[in-house]
Amino acid sequence: DQQVKQNSPSLSVQEGRISILNCDYTNSMFDYFLWYKKYPAEGPTFLISISSIKDKNEDGRFTVFLNKSAKHLSLHIVPSQPGDSAVYFCAASEMDSSYKLIFGSGTRLLVRP
Amino acid sequence: DADVTQTPRNRITKTGKRIMLECSQTKGHDRMYWYRQDPGLGLRLIYYSFDVKDINKGEISDGYSVSRQAQAKFSLSLESAIPNQTALYFCATSDRPRAGANVLTFGAGSRLTVL
Repeated sequence: DQQVKQNSPSLSVQEGRISILNCDYTNSMFDYFLWYKKYPAEGPTFLISISSIKDKNEDGRFTVFLNKSAKHLSLHIVPSQPGDSAVYFCAASEMDSSYKLIFGSGTRLLVRP
Repeated sequence: DADVTQTPRNRITKTGKRIMLECSQTKGHDRMYWYRQDPGLGLRLIYYSFDVKDINKGEISDGYSVSRQAQAKFSLSLESAIPNQTALYFCATSDRPRAGANVLTFGAGSRLTVL
């Protein structure tokens, strides 16, 4: 059973608009959540993370929101740019096993010029 | 040069063959990992190593073995490849976590096809 789920396989957004990528989890012991971005023929690269003690973390155009009661997090990209077109993976880890990241299946974002 | 280098980048082989995927890193990290990516399943951990003498199984280690030849080198072997091991394989590294999330640095991936 997948502990981290990304239910939208793909998302298409107009350049300049907001992109919202969603992630749900089932394990209440997760204490860190991360987002990775992956371009074709490249490995995933770290984008942004959030601790379970926070509900928001912002880094430039990227903001991650965490709703612990709903076991849901989202990544907001504002404004979206064509270069943001990639696959985005949500990942989570537990405090006692932080080395082990559990990944979602990914969401492919297309930002249309 | 890339911080984490994987070879080969692409490999096609036949059922029953032995395959080795190699990974080297210049990050100076102690921890190294092998992940496998399949469509619709995200990345799953095969093996991880905290140092040269500390190697551990991940969630899907059956059919795989690893060797940590040095701090900078971590190889993944398929002793007898089978078609359902067709996947994209990623090597990753991380520093010892001090505070905050355990951020992995990934290689570019090795695409393996088993016929």
